[in-house]
Amino acid sequence: EIQLQESGPGLVKPSQSLSLTCSVTGYIITSGYDWSWIRKFPGNKMEWMGYISNSGSTNYNPSLKIRISITRDTSKNQFFLQLNSVTTEDTATYYCARIGYGYNFDYWGLGVMVTVSS
Amino acid sequence: DVQMTQSPYNLAASPGESVSINCKASKSISKYLAWYQQKPGKANKLLIYDGSTLQSGIPSRFSGSGSGTDFTLTIRSLEPEDFGLYYCQQHNEYPFTFGSGTKLEIK
Repeated sequence: EIQLQESGPGLVKPSQSLSLTCSVTGYIITSGYDWSWIRKFPGNKMEWMGYISNSGSTNYNPSLKIRISITRDTSKNQFFLQLNSVTTEDTATYYCARIGYGYNFDYWGLGVMVTVSS
Repeated sequence: DVQMTQSPYNLAASPGESVSINCKASKSISKYLAWYQQKPGKANKLLIYDGSTLQSGIPSRFSGSGSGTDFTLTIRSLEPEDFGLYYCQQHNEYPFTFGSGTKLEIK
């Protein structure tokens, strides 16, 4: 069974970087498919942030392009999100997900809530 | 970016009833629309993709229709476990975008 689990600090100060880890079990991230980060803001708006492909290339939402980096550690079967220069508007629940056939999201983590506050 | 307008915002229904949720894209997305269910403490669940294709393991009471700009998710004979938050998402072009969500509540 494929499972994804997000982890990372629940509180980040403004202007600092937000760093999250997605640990994947039940599937090798280099075997195929792409791996994504998505966030849900208070008020329920959802935003796709970007993905890292099984070959290691990346594609980001242009709204975040100058602040975001998605990387991976294939030895640990993990991928990571770094979001720089955060503000209170980055307060959200962050999800990692697998991009399935047809570019929908077929497996999700439970999400991790991150608050940006001083 | 493709804007996704989802309606209604809230929906109340009783078990056994049928409901429909609508999603309108700001431009044509062909058939490339997915529907998700979100419930507290559970991983988001992909219900429908490509507008009308039922994801493996999803009950047949869920169905999707539409193409171009207008799409509908229909749930027949509501079960108690169907109540939650539903989202549409276009997967036709980058950046992928989501609707604003529909909260389906028990009447």
